[in-house]
Amino acid sequence: DTEVTQTPKHLVMGMTNKKSLKCEQHMGHRAMYWYKQKAKKPPELMFVYSYEKLSINESVPSRFSPECPNSSLLNLHLHALQPEDSALYLCASSQGAKPPWFFGPGTRLTVL
Amino acid sequence: DQQVKQNSPSLSVQEGRISILNCDYTNSMFDYFLWYKKYPAEGPTFLISISSIKDKNEDGRFTVFLNKSAKHLSLHIVPSQPGDSAVYFCAASANAGKSTFGDGTTLTVKP
Repeated sequence: DTEVTQTPKHLVMGMTNKKSLKCEQHMGHRAMYWYKQKAKKPPELMFVYSYEKLSINESVPSRFSPECPNSSLLNLHLHALQPEDSALYLCASSQGAKPPWFFGPGTRLTVL
Repeated sequence: DQQVKQNSPSLSVQEGRISILNCDYTNSMFDYFLWYKKYPAEGPTFLISISSIKDKNEDGRFTVFLNKSAKHLSLHIVPSQPGDSAVYFCAASANAGKSTFGDGTTLTVKP
């Protein structure tokens, strides 16, 4: 299995909602990542987990809360988001904490 | 300060010809470079990479060239096919786990 899967594919939420994005990989990779991509912009790194520990937080607002329950799973908990947080959220994984990074299809998030 | 730049937002080539996508970087600490291809509504797909100790890496129709003195890399696709039409991102890594992407170049291959 060489895939990174993400659910849901699309998510619409209000500014007072709490929701979670999920990511799963079965490639035995030990590093997992969250990226945010706005339209016509490159992916921007948000968080890196290495061996299930948070190793990089790129100064992301606390309304985004990552969680790595085990080496195959990565969650992103969302609370009190703003409309400007609307974007494509991409999960990626890699063997160790080095590239190449393998991306999932993303979750298209819309905040109303 | 944008550390990875793709100065051509778009490129159009004829099927069967060579496509050359360019990327410049400013951070001399980058030691690993990658190219990704992205279709609309999908995540980026890894294409090819090169370590800073090499100047060329080839994989089928794709070749990446690295010129460290000029801080420049390029992706050559030959022959180009209509299915290659996508957005191509150049990416670089200096520290384990941290990535920097360029803005992307939209390649259109005309039949």
